[in-house]
Amino acid sequence: GDSVTQMEGPVTLSEEAFLTINCTYTATGYPSLFWYVQYPGEGLQLLLKATKADDKGSNKGFEATYRKETTSFHLEKGSVQVSDSAVYFCALDFAGGTSYGKLTFGQGTILTVHP
Amino acid sequence: EAQVTQNPRYLITVTGKKLTVTCSQNMNHEYMSWYRQDPGLGLRQIYYSMNVEVTDKGDVPEGYKVSRKEKRNFPLILESPSPNQTSLYFCASSFGGRGDTQYFGPGTRLTVL
Repeated sequence: GDSVTQMEGPVTLSEEAFLTINCTYTATGYPSLFWYVQYPGEGLQLLLKATKADDKGSNKGFEATYRKETTSFHLEKGSVQVSDSAVYFCALDFAGGTSYGKLTFGQGTILTVHP
Repeated sequence: EAQVTQNPRYLITVTGKKLTVTCSQNMNHEYMSWYRQDPGLGLRQIYYSMNVEVTDKGDVPEGYKVSRKEKRNFPLILESPSPNQTSLYFCASSFGGRGDTQYFGPGTRLTVL
C-alpha cells in the first residue's frame, strides 16, 4: 500500500539556519503530495502542496519539489525563524483517482528553532 | 469563518463508558474523516464519509463507529473505550477531489483509564 517516510527527528536549529526535512513516498499511480504543519496545541494546517511531477509548492518561505524519479518531496527553507517551531508532516493522497478525503501521513518531524 | 470544530477538546474517561466526540464543518464539504495521532506513527485514518449516509472504514476502524446524518456533522463514537484508544483525535473535511486541501479541527485529546 501507499506509504510515506520522513527523516527522523527531532531537528534543532538556530535562527536563520537552513532547513531540510526529507520525505520519500511509495505509491502506485501519481499521488498529490502535501506538507502539513502542526503548531503547539493546534490542529494541522496545509503548508504547501504539489499535484504533479516537477511541480514546486511554496508558502511562507518554505518550498518542496515533487520529484517522481526519486519519489521524494523534501521540505526546505533558507532561513528559519523561532516561529517555525512546530511538527511537520509529509502526506500523500490516494493516487488511484478520487481521494475520498484520505491522506497517508509520515510520522512527523519535530522542529525546534532557538534564537 | 471557515472552520472545523470538535468537542470536547479534552476528555478523561474510564474503560467501557460510551462516549461521543462531535465534529462539525461549515464549508459544505462532501468528505469528512477521523484520524488518530500517536507518537512515531503520524496520523492514521479511522473512518471517512463521502456524503450523507455514506461511510467507510479507514486503516484503523476497530472499536469506533461513525454516522453522517447531516452534511455538516460527523460524530465519532466509542461504544466501549479501552486504554489503547488513548490518543489525539482529529476530524478533517474537504471537497474530496485529488489534490484538495484537507481542513482539520483543533483536536480532541482522549485519555481512557
